[in-house]
Amino acid sequence: EPEVTQTPSHQVTQMGQEVILRCVPISNHLYFYWYRQILGQKVEFLVSFYNNEISEKSEIFDDQFSVERPDGSNFTLKIRSTKLEDSAMYFCASNDVYYEQYFGPGTRLTVT
Amino acid sequence: EDQVTQSPEALRLQEGESSSLNCSYTVSGLRGLFWYRQDPGKGPEFLFTLYSAGEEKEKERLKATLTKKESFLHITAPKPEDSATYLCAVQAGNNAGNMLTFGGGTRLMVKP
Repeated sequence: EPEVTQTPSHQVTQMGQEVILRCVPISNHLYFYWYRQILGQKVEFLVSFYNNEISEKSEIFDDQFSVERPDGSNFTLKIRSTKLEDSAMYFCASNDVYYEQYFGPGTRLTVT
Repeated sequence: EDQVTQSPEALRLQEGESSSLNCSYTVSGLRGLFWYRQDPGKGPEFLFTLYSAGEEKEKERLKATLTKKESFLHITAPKPEDSATYLCAVQAGNNAGNMLTFGGGTRLMVKP
């Protein structure tokens, strides 16, 4: 069964460093998303991406964040200058023409 | 602003003891209501989509129902392997980016 995959599973970085989180969505899917979940809190929407552009973003997704689909399979989230409060699980998700979003296993980002 | 509230926050059941989880929502024109299962340290796993009031969906011991203000996830004769956090999310009809708004989840523990 096709799955969304994410790498790395755990990333530790120092405050102020740039990180890139990588995702490979399900191959025939057209819509891609990033969500995050701070420990013990709700899953929060960050950004959606369709047809090589951002279709919606939340207030959390400020100028420190960017997304890219560098080729036909990868979807990345870049955080330019990490802060302590960026520590969270980051989930990539994708869907086709139907609305069910399928989530990856997540990347745990720890900012020290 | 779309809002999703889940209750109870935590639920302990004995194996075989049926119960229901509640998801109350406020959304501008519901496009879909989604149920996910999340195991510790993992990504949300898709269970059901409900689109209109009166709709019901079933999968093994789980049954999801929808009204105009809330959804229920009924668990019949649960087993210990049903222990997980169950997440409810809504998608608004006027939402260009397909974002999901999640509730805080119900942590279900089933004791043998």
